[in-house]
Amino acid sequence: KQEVTQIPAALSVPEGENLVLNCSFTDSAIYNLQWFRQDPGKGLTSLLLIQSSQREQTSGRLNASLDKSSGRSTLYIAASQPGDSATYLCAVKGDTDKLIFGTGTRLQVFP
Amino acid sequence: GAGVSQSPRYKVAKRGQDVALRCDPISGHVSLFWYQQALGQGPEFLTYFQNEAQLDKSGLPSDRFFAERPEGSVSTLKIQRTQQEDSAVYLCASRQRVYITDTQYFGPGTRLTVL
Repeated sequence: KQEVTQIPAALSVPEGENLVLNCSFTDSAIYNLQWFRQDPGKGLTSLLLIQSSQREQTSGRLNASLDKSSGRSTLYIAASQPGDSATYLCAVKGDTDKLIFGTGTRLQVFP
Repeated sequence: GAGVSQSPRYKVAKRGQDVALRCDPISGHVSLFWYQQALGQGPEFLTYFQNEAQLDKSGLPSDRFFAERPEGSVSTLKIQRTQQEDSAVYLCASRQRVYITDTQYFGPGTRLTVL
């Protein structure tokens, strides 16, 4: 059974720091991995989607890497801003249609 | 364009009541998913539709949970005889095609509180 773990569970940093959020999964047979952002009371916003054949994806200040063989992904946030404060979730897609999520990293960036 | 919408956004039910949660997917999207997100946890899969066919209901926690999508667009998640452990945010997602590599687009969720 696929299990997804995210470390750290919570993170509080001053504005301007570069951050690394970690995601690990137990079964390397995945089709893709996706990073989402969730704001309080809101749904999930997709940030980056990495297909199993890819090593990384970049969007603005965000960079996500995938090492499928070791079951790891990292989300790198450059020059963090207070507006980045949210919960970040990673999810993997195996050979079924459902996404399997981690428990998230709650990020707070203070001015 | 319009995204996935869900209603109601908040629902308070007394234990034992039945509730119905609605999801309007993005127009034309073939696939529709329901997830349950307990407080402080990541979403967990409940069920999946391709058009009107319910192809996977392995995540439904009990026979009190029932989902339908009769015309292949709007979906309703029904919970009978609600229990306190049903309190959670229920998220709906849609996907344009059937390919599992495509992304799912999520709605804002319905927060259900069972007293």
